[in-house]
Amino acid sequence: QLQLQESGPGLVKPSETLSLTCTVSGGSISSRPYYWAWIRQPPGKGPEWIGTVYFTGSTYFKSSLRSRFTISVDTSKNQFALKLSSVTAADTATYYCARQVGGYVPDYFDSWGQGTLVTVSS
Amino acid sequence: SYELTQPPSVSVSPGQTARITCSGDALPKKYSYWYQQKPGQAPLLVIYKDKERPSGIPERFSGSSSGTIVTLTISGVQAEDEADYYCQSADFNNTSVVFGGGTKLSVL
Repeated sequence: QLQLQESGPGLVKPSETLSLTCTVSGGSISSRPYYWAWIRQPPGKGPEWIGTVYFTGSTYFKSSLRSRFTISVDTSKNQFALKLSSVTAADTATYYCARQVGGYVPDYFDSWGQGTLVTVSS
Repeated sequence: SYELTQPPSVSVSPGQTARITCSGDALPKKYSYWYQQKPGQAPLLVIYKDKERPSGIPERFSGSSSGTIVTLTISGVQAEDEADYYCQSADFNNTSVVFGGGTKLSVL
């Protein structure tokens, strides 16, 4: 059974860089037709898709977030990662990693990690 | 930016039918998906490709589509169905995944 697990700091100071890692188990991150996504959910609000990476390393992002986010993949560790620079309080949210099923218009998310709450505060 | 619109809340009694709508101008040309989220948990896919149910999702969950509105129907609602429900699709150019604002289903 596929499992995804986010890891990273729960507290980040304003203007610093947030780094999160998602470890995939029970399946290969190189499997087709799957992509790997980061999604965040501010407290009391709906989910917001951030961006997606393919096992080849190609990425695409929500246009309004593209400038501050980086997503990378490490197939040898079966992991993918998210970096967010210059965080502010508006970036406080639960961050989820998810498996994205490709080939549809649009793709969808069939397996999610449990999520990790990231708070931006000094 | 493109938006999917859902009612903030829907209330039903146990055993009744709950219908949750999601509207968006691009929906006639896109698949829609539905997720259930209970407090403290990650979203769970309950409907994909407008009307398909993933393995393990009860038959009382169904989806339909008509023009710019898609609907999640839960027949014979049970107390355990109380949750937030989110629709998901994409913008016209398929460049951005979009989630609806969510609907809180209350089982009275």
